[in-house]
This record gives sequence, C-alpha cells and structure tokens, in this order.
Amino acid sequence: EPEVTQTPSHQVTQMGQEVILRCVPISNHLYFYWYRQILGQKVEFLVSFYNNEISEKSEIFDDQFSVERPDGSNFTLKIRSTKLEDSAMYFCASSESTEAFFGQGTRLTVV
Amino acid sequence: EDKVVQSPLSLVVHEGDTVTLNCSYEVTNFRSLLWYKQEKKAPTFLFMLTSSGIEKKSGRLSSILDKKELFSILNITATQTGDSAVYLCAPKYNFNKFYFGSGTKLNVKP
Repeated sequence: EPEVTQTPSHQVTQMGQEVILRCVPISNHLYFYWYRQILGQKVEFLVSFYNNEISEKSEIFDDQFSVERPDGSNFTLKIRSTKLEDSAMYFCASSESTEAFFGQGTRLTVV
Repeated sequence: EDKVVQSPLSLVVHEGDTVTLNCSYEVTNFRSLLWYKQEKKAPTFLFMLTSSGIEKKSGRLSSILDKKELFSILNITATQTGDSAVYLCAPKYNFNKFYFGSGTKLNVKP
C-alpha cells in the first residue's frame, strides 16, 4: 500500500543550525502539507503546497521556514536557524484531493 | 478566529462499552470534516464527511456530520483495548487546509 515516507525519523541539532526535513509523498498525490506537534500538544498546521507553490500557511510558518519540491518526488521543509521551541514532531502529509495521509514523522530535537 | 473543539478531552471506559466523541467547529469556507486516530505517531485516516446526516461506518466505528449545527460525532461500539488512542477531528476549509482539534484521548481498560 502506498505511503508517505519521512526521513530522518529523529534529528538532533544545535540551536541556530539549519535543518532540512524530507518527505516523499504518495506518487499520484497533488497536495502536500507540513504539520508539527509539540510534545503533549495538538497537531498544528504549518503549510500546504499545490502546483509548485504555497497555497496556505499559518502564522507559525514565518521567514525561518521554507518548503520546496526539488524534484518530482521529494517535498522538503527547511528551518533556517533553529530555536529551542522548534523541537517537535514534524509530520508530512499528502492528498489526492480529499483525505490526507500522514507520514510517520520526524522528531526534531533542538539543543 | 477559526476553531475546533473536541469533547470530552479524555475518556476512560471498559472493554465492551460504547463511546461517543464530539467535535464542533467554526471555520470559514468549510469543505469537509475528517476524523483521524493517533496512536503513537502519525494520525491515521478514519472517515471523511461532506454531507449532513449521512452516516459513515467502518466496522465498530461510525460517524455523522451536522453542517447546520456545525458538529460531528464519532461512535465506537463494543470498544476494545486496541481502540485506545487520541481521536482527532479536522475540518477541511479554504483551499486545502486541515485544522486539527486538540483531540479526545480514549483509554479502554480490559
């Protein structure tokens, strides 16, 4: 069964460093998303992406964040200068048009 | 401000019990409402509801949407310990944005 895959499963980085979280969406899907979940809190929307551009973004998704679809398969989230409060589980999701399917997440720990 | 409220926040039941989880929403440009189950990591898809009053069923789980009153319920009958999870509702609105509620944490005891 097709699935969304994310790498790495866990990343530890120093404050101020750049990180890139990678996602391979389901191949025929057109809509891509990033969400984050701080430990013990709700799943928060970051950004949605369609037709090679951002279609929606939340107030969390500030200038420190960017997304890219560098080739036909990968979808990346970059955090330019990580802060301690960026520590969270980051989920990628993709959708054909209706429901979204989630990857297993990347746990980002900023130290 | 858009919002999604789920109740109860947490629930402890015994195997065999029936539970009803609630989700009320206030979002602009509503398109559909989705239910997800989150165990250890990623939310897994359960149901998508677009029309009022039409029940969706999958085994012991069922869900219905009321677009006039802006809420949805998720029912689980004959609960099992494997149903223990956080259940999330997420209205889909605007172009293609899903907004998750805080979830209901269900604990099913043997």
